[in-house]
Amino acid sequence: SQKIEQNSEALNIQEGKTATLTCNYTNYSPAYLQWYRQDPGRGPVFLLLIRENEKEKRKERLKVTFDTTLKQSLFHITASQPADSATYLCALLSSGGYNKLIFGAGTRLAVHP
Amino acid sequence: SQTIHQWPATLVQPVGSPLSLECTVEGTSNPNLYWYRQAAGRGLQLLFYSVGIGQISSEVPQNLSASRPQDRQFILSSKKLLLSDSGFYLCAWSGQIDTGELFFGEGSRLTVL
Repeated sequence: SQKIEQNSEALNIQEGKTATLTCNYTNYSPAYLQWYRQDPGRGPVFLLLIRENEKEKRKERLKVTFDTTLKQSLFHITASQPADSATYLCALLSSGGYNKLIFGAGTRLAVHP
Repeated sequence: SQTIHQWPATLVQPVGSPLSLECTVEGTSNPNLYWYRQAAGRGLQLLFYSVGIGQISSEVPQNLSASRPQDRQFILSSKKLLLSDSGFYLCAWSGQIDTGELFFGEGSRLTVL
């Protein structure tokens, strides 16, 4: 069955460092992969999309890589700030069409001053 | 600009009682609409999606149902709630078929006692 795995343990880093989150998937050949940010008690907010033919995508301090051979995406936040503390979710387009996104459980990031 | 409204934000219901969560989207037409559920510490589980009025697809067998009586209105219902129905319910819409980027509402926290 299709499966998405994100590190369930919280990632604690010091302000100013680079945070790296991992998303692994199995039994998928997604056309693209997305990353969302979710704050406690709120709905997720879209951050970045990367297509299968793209190796890397950047947006301000965010960088996403997509390795379809390893079936893995890495999400980087450079020069991290306490305001970056949140849960980050990766999502893949499920087979079957209709824009059905399947989400990972998310990784909680805590950036300490 | 597009907005999505979801209500109620919080509700506490006894087991066996009915449920109705409502979601409306403004500023766009013919959106794809979705209901997700997020249990504590878990990922988002896709419950229903709709590509048009009266067109509902169910992802997970359960005692919940969904309806789309108008183009930008999506309703999640239950005739008799179970304890396992507790969770954070999120409505979302997508307007770009190619990317499938989802825009989420603020969520409805349901506690079944």
